[in-house]
Amino acid sequence: EDQVTQSPEALRLQEGESSSLNCSYTVSGLRGLFWYRQDPGKGPEFLFTLYSAGEEKEKERLKATLTKKESFLHITAPKPEDSATYLCAATVYGNNRLAFGKGNQVVVIP
Amino acid sequence: EPEVTQTPSHQVTQMGQEVILRCVPISNHLYFYWYRQILGQKVEFLVSFYNNEISEKSEIFDDQFSVERPDGSNFTLKIRSTKLEDSAMYFCASSDEASNEQFFGPGTRLTVL
Repeated sequence: EDQVTQSPEALRLQEGESSSLNCSYTVSGLRGLFWYRQDPGKGPEFLFTLYSAGEEKEKERLKATLTKKESFLHITAPKPEDSATYLCAATVYGNNRLAFGKGNQVVVIP
Repeated sequence: EPEVTQTPSHQVTQMGQEVILRCVPISNHLYFYWYRQILGQKVEFLVSFYNNEISEKSEIFDDQFSVERPDGSNFTLKIRSTKLEDSAMYFCASSDEASNEQFFGPGTRLTVL
């Protein structure tokens, strides 16, 4: 069964304290690896898509990377407004469904 | 910036009643999806829709569920006879290509009493 696992489940950071979130996937035929941000009571907000091992994407304080088994979301010098749950999801060849992990809940303390 | 919209934001219903959740996908998108998220759990795929037909559905999407694109802009999810366990946030999403990123709406919180 295709699986997406995220760790740690929850993370508290001091403002400015950089860290990384992990998403490991066991899927057959990865087509794309997606990162979303979700605020409480809101819909997932698209951040990045990665398609091949070695690929990296950046946006402000966030950088996503992909290997053959996992993806990392690096948060550099986070600010309180980066507090959210970060969701990782995968699609495989043959279908379009996003298979989500449970998320990394990040709290950045001023 | 184009966005997916959903109505209502919150729907309360009695067990056994029918509900229709509405979505307006991004206008030039061709692929439409419904997902749900039970409180505290992961986002789960329900169904994908393309070219006026279901292209894929999950085990959750049983005979109680149906989807429709009644006109050129709306995309609906109907639950025929709601159960307590249908209480969840329901998200609509759309994408321009099958392999591209899916953009999500703000969700409808469904509460079944």
